[in-house]
Amino acid sequence: EAGVTQFPSHSVIEKGQTVTLRCDPISGHDNLYWYRRVMGKEIKFLLHFVKESKQDESGMPNNRFLAERTGGTYSTLKVQPAELEDSGVYFCASSQPRGGKYNEQFFGPGTRLTVL
Amino acid sequence: AQSVSQHNHHVILSEAASLELGCNYSYGGTVNLFWYVQYPGQHLQLLLKYFSGDPLVKGIKGFEAEFIKSKFSFNLRKPSVQWSDTAEYFCAILGGGGADGLTFGKGTHLIIQP
Repeated sequence: EAGVTQFPSHSVIEKGQTVTLRCDPISGHDNLYWYRRVMGKEIKFLLHFVKESKQDESGMPNNRFLAERTGGTYSTLKVQPAELEDSGVYFCASSQPRGGKYNEQFFGPGTRLTVL
Repeated sequence: AQSVSQHNHHVILSEAASLELGCNYSYGGTVNLFWYVQYPGQHLQLLLKYFSGDPLVKGIKGFEAEFIKSKFSFNLRKPSVQWSDTAEYFCAILGGGGADGLTFGKGTHLIIQP
């Protein structure tokens, strides 16, 4: 079974440009999460989709970040315009809840974003 | 707000040494507790988790963790480490504080010297 995949693995852009990150969850996983790790800091939750609906976006840093999950399959995270402090590793995770109980979140390899 | 504190950012041990990585959390309600590991060049993967029941939890690769509610702690242990345990280890909680995602500690880089 394929795991969570993310594209691209690395992205280097200049301040003010736009970048779109993509996450493909494990097939059949309704839950999709985005996290970010800024260098030297902890991995921080950004938002959570259940199918195509945003369940919780309390961790989104500001309105320069837009996440979508049309059709409830893959998700994109767009940063527009990018700022220097957006540099970091963006992780995606997915899980399939059963009966309301928490299920393990499976993580992708991450996208390393560098804003110059 | 909930938070997780990992006591050591870098730990260097020799093979066969015993390991204990500290983790304390801050949250007053019921929490689910996790340890994740990221081996060099690999994805984050779950080592073990605690939801309820026996506070001593066994995980993969010989790891275990003990939940001590009175100390808000969930320390990770392994009696005898191997070179292949070199990795970054993350403690995380899932609480009822409103956010659906995991709250992570800053991670501990563990280096095992052969």
